[in-house]
Amino acid sequence: AQSVTQLDSQVPVFEEAPVELRCNYSSSVSVYLFWYVQYPNQGLQLLLKYLSGSTLVKGINGFEAEFNKSQTSFHLRKPSVHISDTAEYFCAAANSGGSNYKLTFGKGTLLTVNP
Amino acid sequence: SQTIHQWPATLVQPVGSPLSLECTVEGTSNPNLYWYRQAAGRGLQLLFYSVGIGQISSEVPQNLSASRPQDRQFILSSKKLLLSDSGFYLCAWSQPHRFSGNTIYFGEGSWLTVV
Repeated sequence: AQSVTQLDSQVPVFEEAPVELRCNYSSSVSVYLFWYVQYPNQGLQLLLKYLSGSTLVKGINGFEAEFNKSQTSFHLRKPSVHISDTAEYFCAAANSGGSNYKLTFGKGTLLTVNP
Repeated sequence: SQTIHQWPATLVQPVGSPLSLECTVEGTSNPNLYWYRQAAGRGLQLLFYSVGIGQISSEVPQNLSASRPQDRQFILSSKKLLLSDSGFYLCAWSQPHRFSGNTIYFGEGSWLTVV
């Protein structure tokens, strides 16, 4: 079974500052990795995902993430955040074996961008 | 384009009363369908998933059940609600392939408060 750990439950930052949201996973098989964003009282929306190829993945709203197999990490970054980026961010993993298409989610990181 | 609708958005129910949350997907055929529950600080928990009409898999033993009476309709039910059933429920769908790299698309969610 796999697990996903988001190392910070809350990350406060100031507007226009850079941010990194950390995610580590554990799995006995290779995985696909995802980041989702949830704005207050809404469903989740995909930011980006890593399936294969380049380890640097670019997503929507200026976010990017880097897959690091040796460190089993998939950290999310943005060089300059806006107030509108305030939301909860979820890292998720799925086994790449093809027979299990269920996602395992981390517990989420609440990003609060202050003026 | 594909859309997902989930209702009601908010529900307050007494303990012991029945529950029915409905979800429909438009613009695709034979989607995989999911019900998740989200509790504060605990991330998302997969409750049920379905790969076709009448095919339901339960992930967690509980007081809830799911049904898929039509291809793009997914219903979450309970005969008698418990206080512990309170939470934010999310319906979701993905393309009808056993590929774990597929994006999962979420509805807007339903807030259930059991009193």
